[in-house]
Amino acid sequence: KNEVEQSPQNLTAQEGEFITINCSYSVGISALHWLQQHPGGGIVSLFMLSSGKKKHGRLIATINIQEKHSSLHITASHPRDSAVYICAVPHTSGSRLTFGEGTQLTVNP
Amino acid sequence: GAGVSQSPSNKVTEKGKDVELRCDPISGHTALYWYRQSLGQGLEFLIYFQGNSAPDKSGLPSDRFSAERTGGSVSTLTIQRTQQEDSAVYLCASSLTGLRTDTQYFGPGTRLTVL
Repeated sequence: KNEVEQSPQNLTAQEGEFITINCSYSVGISALHWLQQHPGGGIVSLFMLSSGKKKHGRLIATINIQEKHSSLHITASHPRDSAVYICAVPHTSGSRLTFGEGTQLTVNP
Repeated sequence: GAGVSQSPSNKVTEKGKDVELRCDPISGHTALYWYRQSLGQGLEFLIYFQGNSAPDKSGLPSDRFSAERTGGSVSTLTIQRTQQEDSAVYLCASSLTGLRTDTQYFGPGTRLTVL
C-alpha cells in the first residue's frame, strides 16, 4: 500500500462541472501539499494545508487530519484546468515530499 | 531570476557516460530538493539539502548518484556510468526555510535520455 494514494487516477469532465480529487495518506504529517503539473511538465504549488480548508479562486482544498484524508475541489471547471493534480506529504523526519501517483484531469469544452 | 532554474533542459547521453545536472534555487532559500519523475511514474525523492546540515541522501537509488550544494546555493546532481533506467525528468525544488509547511518551488526540470 502506497503511503499516499489518490483517486481517481483519471478524470474527464465537461466544462462547468464540479470536480473532486481525493487523497488519503497513511503517514503522520503536519502538512499536505496539492500540486499542479501542466502538460509542459512544470509543477506549481496550489495549496499547503495543515488543517481545515483553503480557497483560491475556483479551487478549494480541505483536509481531515483524524481521517488522514484531503480533497481538492474545482468549481465551474474550465479546459485550462486540464492538468495532473498531485498530493504530497512531508516525510515524518523532514520536509522531503512523498507524492501520490497523480490524477490526470481533462476538461472538455 | 525569480524562480528555480535548471540546466540543461534536455540531455541525451550514451549508456556508461557521466552527466551533471545543475539547479539554481531561488535566492535566499535554505532548502533544496532533488526529485525524479520517470516516464509514466510518479515523483520520487532523491536528495535534500538544508542549510549547512548533512544532506538527506536516503532517496538516491544507487552509489552512481551524488549531489553537492556549493555555498548554500547552486546544486549539481551527478550520475556516473548512466544506465537506461536513469532516463527521467529530474526536478529541483527549493523552499525558504525547509519547514514541512513551506511551499516548495519547482524548477522546469531536466529531461535525461540515456541511449
